[in-house]
Amino acid sequence: DAKTTQPTSMDCAEGRAANLPCNHSTISGNEYVYWYRQIHSQGPQYIIHGLKNNETNEMASLIITEDRKSSTLILPHATLRDTAVYYCIVRARNTGFQKLVFGTGTRLLVSP
Amino acid sequence: EAGVTQFPSHSVIEKGQTVTLRCDPISGHDNLYWYRRVMGKEIKFLLHFVKESKQDESGMPNNRFLAERTGGTYSTLKVQPAELEDSGVYFCASSQEGYQETQYFGPGTRLLVL
Repeated sequence: DAKTTQPTSMDCAEGRAANLPCNHSTISGNEYVYWYRQIHSQGPQYIIHGLKNNETNEMASLIITEDRKSSTLILPHATLRDTAVYYCIVRARNTGFQKLVFGTGTRLLVSP
Repeated sequence: EAGVTQFPSHSVIEKGQTVTLRCDPISGHDNLYWYRRVMGKEIKFLLHFVKESKQDESGMPNNRFLAERTGGTYSTLKVQPAELEDSGVYFCASSQEGYQETQYFGPGTRLLVL
């Protein structure tokens, strides 16, 4: 699976949009971009995933650049409960590559 | 729909003892995964079941760890004998059939080996 690079930490004011970047310059054509987060003392929580089109669900939006070398997770109106470590994971669509490879992620702190 | 459940939530044992962790996946999910995070490190994959068969156990650290999924429902992860470096949080995840199905995680079991 391709390697991802994320900032170590970010801050965001409550109510504002949180934009979390991820670089995956070696991504290949059959690899998806997944985002998970881990709120303190809980298990990782699935947020969203995409291949090449932008995606939106009730939690967030995922913007993938046209060359697919980077992406941005957007939390449109961050709340204090969004404080967590966010993981960008690239995952191949092949047999035997189903495991998730977690990096160090981005620690997002949402403040009042 | 119930999520992935894990038992116990916490376990404190002494070095050399045995501990068994249990994971109940979401009903109907054929895929079951074990991951763990040891202190200060990243979350690491341990193994993957498809129904009752081990699909990938490349992440199992050594032969002190034994995972089973009899009948393709719940799974157990036994550590025998436990060592200090086994301390950490053990997560279980499950997903539906298919190679790109989303994995849903349980709350984890916090294991402390003294």
